Amino acid sequence: DTEVTQTPKHLVMGMTNKKSLKCEQHMGHRAMYWYKQKAKKPPELMFVYSYEKLSINESVPSRFSPECPNSSLLNLHLHALQPEDSALYLCASSQDGRFNTEAFFGQGTRLTVV
Amino acid sequence: GNSVTQMEGPVTLSEEAFLTINCTYTATGYPSLFWYVQYPGEGLQLLLKATKADDKGSNKGFEATYRKETTSFHLEKGSVQVSDSAVYFCALSVDTGFQKLVFGTGTRLLVSP
Repeated sequence: DTEVTQTPKHLVMGMTNKKSLKCEQHMGHRAMYWYKQKAKKPPELMFVYSYEKLSINESVPSRFSPECPNSSLLNLHLHALQPEDSALYLCASSQDGRFNTEAFFGQGTRLTVV
Repeated sequence: GNSVTQMEGPVTLSEEAFLTINCTYTATGYPSLFWYVQYPGEGLQLLLKATKADDKGSNKGFEATYRKETTSFHLEKGSVQVSDSAVYFCALSVDTGFQKLVFGTGTRLLVSP
């Protein structure tokens, strides 16, 4: 199993809503990532978890709150988002956090904030 | 800082044509280099990688060679297929303790029959 599974695939939420994105992998990977990809742009790193600890936060606004409940799961909690936060949110995992290892990406959650 | 520059797209080719997508990089330290492919409506898949100078990554007929002297990692394929139509991202990662992929802007490839 070399899959990273993200749910939901699509999400529409209002600016006052609270929602969560979920990501799961069963490859035994110990590093997990959230990336944000705006339309026709490259992905940009948001967070890195290594061994279930938050290791990198790329100055992401607090309306995005990551959580890693265990080594297989990664959540992204969303609250009070803005329309400009509409994007494709990609989860990825790698065997460990080393810079030269392969990252496996999920298909993403396409988020629309109205 | 670290950055990746890719050629502007779209690149439009006929089936069986030769493909080159240029990629150059700037990095502090000694980066690992990657090509990722994104098919419509999907996430990213690693196409190939190289971790040191003169390494050649290859997969599914695609190749790229890590050229330290020219700071380049150009993607090539001898004969493209319609199914290769996608967006191709060149990326680097340097050793800062954790993996942080820095992507180029992506190059859209359109292959017609």
